[in-house]
Amino acid sequence: NAGVMQNPRHLVRRRGQEARLRCSPMKGHSHVYWYRQLPEEGLKFMVYLQKENIIDESGMPKERFSAEFPKEGPSILRIQQVVRGDSAAYFCASSQGQGMEETQYFGPGTRLLVL
Amino acid sequence: KQEVTQIPAALSVPEGENLVLNCSFTDSAIYNLQWFRQDPGKGLTSLLLIQSSQREQTSGRLNASLDKSSGRSTLYIAASQPGDSATYLCAASSNTGKLIFGQGTTLQVKP
Repeated sequence: NAGVMQNPRHLVRRRGQEARLRCSPMKGHSHVYWYRQLPEEGLKFMVYLQKENIIDESGMPKERFSAEFPKEGPSILRIQQVVRGDSAAYFCASSQGQGMEETQYFGPGTRLLVL
Repeated sequence: KQEVTQIPAALSVPEGENLVLNCSFTDSAIYNLQWFRQDPGKGLTSLLLIQSSQREQTSGRLNASLDKSSGRSTLYIAASQPGDSATYLCAASSNTGKLIFGQGTTLQVKP
C-alpha cells in the first residue's frame, strides 16, 4: 500500500506564475489536509477536504490560494501569481476517517521556491 | 484559539540516555494529540496518537502521555540512539480534525 504521494517534490516558479501542487492520498483514504511549513516556522494548517467538498478552509490565505479534491484524481493546491513569501514546504496528509479519530499520514512534501 | 508549545526547542544527549520531550496546549478541548518525527528535508512520520479519553500510548522505546486537565503531553524516549536524531513535533487535533502543531524539539543523540 503506497503512502501519501506528492508531486512535484521540488517546484521553482518566478513571481507572478502559477504553482500547482498535487497530492494522492493513501488507498482507501477520502480525507485530505494541506499544511504549509514556512522557513524557520512550524507547520500551519491550510485546508481540509473530502471528496468534492471543502470542509475547513480556515487556514487558507484569502487570495490567490485554492484547493480541490475531485471525485477522481489527486487533490490539487493551486497558488496563483506566486510571490516570494509563498516559498515554503507544502505537505498534504490523508486519513481514512475524520481526522479527530484517525492518524493523519503525511506525504514527503513539495518544496516551492519562488524566484 | 489553540496554541501548542514545545520545550525545549533543541536537545543534545549522549547515546543511551532516557529523555523527555514536553508539549503544552492552551485549549483542553482537544480530540487527540499526535507525536510526529520529521527528518531534515523529509515529511512527517506519525509516532503515536493519544485519544482524548486515553492517558498514554506506547510503541517500542516510545511512550507518550496526555493530561488534558493540565494541557500537557510528554514523549518519553528510552535508551536513545543516534538514529533517533530528528525534530519531534506534537500536534493537537481540533473538532474538524485539523492539527495544530508546536514548533518542534530538535533532538541530537551523540554516539
